[in-house]
Amino acid sequence: GAVVSQHPSWVICKSGTSVKIECRSLDFQATTMFWYRQFPKQSLMLMATSNEGSKATYEQGVEKDKFLINHASLTLSTLTVTSAHPEDSSFYICSAFGQGPYNEQFFGPGTRLTVL
Amino acid sequence: LAKTTQPISMDSYEGQEVNITCSHNNIATNDYITWYQQFPSQGPRFIIQGYKTKVTNEVASLFIPADRKSSTLSLPRVSLSDTAVYYCLVGDDGGSARQLTFGSGTQLTVLP
Repeated sequence: GAVVSQHPSWVICKSGTSVKIECRSLDFQATTMFWYRQFPKQSLMLMATSNEGSKATYEQGVEKDKFLINHASLTLSTLTVTSAHPEDSSFYICSAFGQGPYNEQFFGPGTRLTVL
Repeated sequence: LAKTTQPISMDSYEGQEVNITCSHNNIATNDYITWYQQFPSQGPRFIIQGYKTKVTNEVASLFIPADRKSSTLSLPRVSLSDTAVYYCLVGDDGGSARQLTFGSGTQLTVLP
């Protein structure tokens, strides 16, 4: 199946700093990628849809100025958490539709963000 | 997007068959049913997808009754490594821009 990678796998930062998370489709092109957030013991919550070459579409309640998404190429989308605070600590997961037979989404391994 | 309802948790023993049922009463004609598996601190992984009747692959079977208002994921002879959260999702399979809505999922714990 298609492979989606994320970098870094984990990051610890101080409150008030910005953190960039990369999501790459390694063996396929993805015009659309999705960013999810998952708190401990909870389900995945869709944050935004990242579209190559255009602005991202954010879900209701997600601050677009705080969670900056850039999808500059067909294989890379980035999520920047600006002025991070402890409540932003979470597991961030990206996904993309690959070339599988079921049109299924392929998920990255996730990035654990801890804001001190 | 159709809402799904699953049991919050299930326990099983190694070697047993596990059946996880998902309710999706408002499923639309174009909707497919997809199951994902998620281990702690990992992204979800596709398990199986179906539209109606029965689908089987190398890891699971999916049973869908004629009214399609529910579906059952069947895991044969589970092992400890099958301990994970299993999500049932329902949505239109058309196109590549479909966003997924995850429900609460079912925490399956396989005991020795």
